[in-house]
Amino acid sequence: AQKVTQAQTEISVVEKEDVTLDCVYETRDTTYYLFWYKQPPSGELVFLIRRNSFDEQNEISGRYSWNFQKSTSSFNFTITASQVVDSAVYFCALSEEHNQGGKLIFGQGTELSVKP
Amino acid sequence: EAGVVQSPRYKIIEKKQPVAFWCNPISGHNTLYWYLQNLGQGPELLIRYENEEAVDDSQLPKDRFSAERLKGVDSTLKIQPAELGDSAVYLCASSQDRGYEQYFGPGTRLTVT
Repeated sequence: AQKVTQAQTEISVVEKEDVTLDCVYETRDTTYYLFWYKQPPSGELVFLIRRNSFDEQNEISGRYSWNFQKSTSSFNFTITASQVVDSAVYFCALSEEHNQGGKLIFGQGTELSVKP
Repeated sequence: EAGVVQSPRYKIIEKKQPVAFWCNPISGHNTLYWYLQNLGQGPELLIRYENEEAVDDSQLPKDRFSAERLKGVDSTLKIQPAELGDSAVYLCASSQDRGYEQYFGPGTRLTVT
C-alpha cells in the first residue's frame, strides 16, 4: 500500500540556518507524483512543488531545493538561509497514476520553527 | 485568478445537528476534492469528483456524510447528524485533472459540542 513517512515531527532552527525536511515514500506503481505543501499558521495549504516519477532532476527555486532519489524512495526538501516566515507545517504527499489517481496520500507533516 | 473559495470558515454546532460546507473551485478545474484534516495530521481524502461524477468516495462515511457537485462546478459536503468526532478542518481542493497539483481552499473548521 502507498505510504508517506515524515520522520521529523518538529524541527527548530535559528534564522539563516539551512534545514532539510525528510520524506520517504512507498509505492508499487511505476508512475507516480510527489508533492510538497506548506501549511502556515493561517491554515491554508500552499502548493510548493510537483515531481513525476520519471524526473529525478533536483529542483531549485530561490531558497528552496528538492532532492528526489528513487533508489532510496526519498524526496527531501531543503530550505537555505531559513527565515522566520518559513515557520509552518510542511507536508510531503504522494499520488499514484494507476491506483485512484489524483488521491493525495499525505505524510504526518513536519513542523518547522524558525527563531530570530 | 481567484483561488478555491470555501464557506463558512468556522462553524460551531451541537451534536446531532446537521451542517453543510460549500466549495467553489478554481475556474476550469475539472477535479474537485474534499479532505478531512484532524489536528496534527495530514489531510485525508473523503471524496473526489471528476466533473459531476464522484469517482472515489471510498473514504466517505456514507451513513452520515453526503456530497454533491451540481453542474460540475460548486460542491457541497453535508453531515447529518454530526458527532463529536467530526470536529476537524474540512478542506476543499481542485486541480486541472487527476495527477496535477491540487490547490486548496482555506478550509472550514468544524467544532461539534
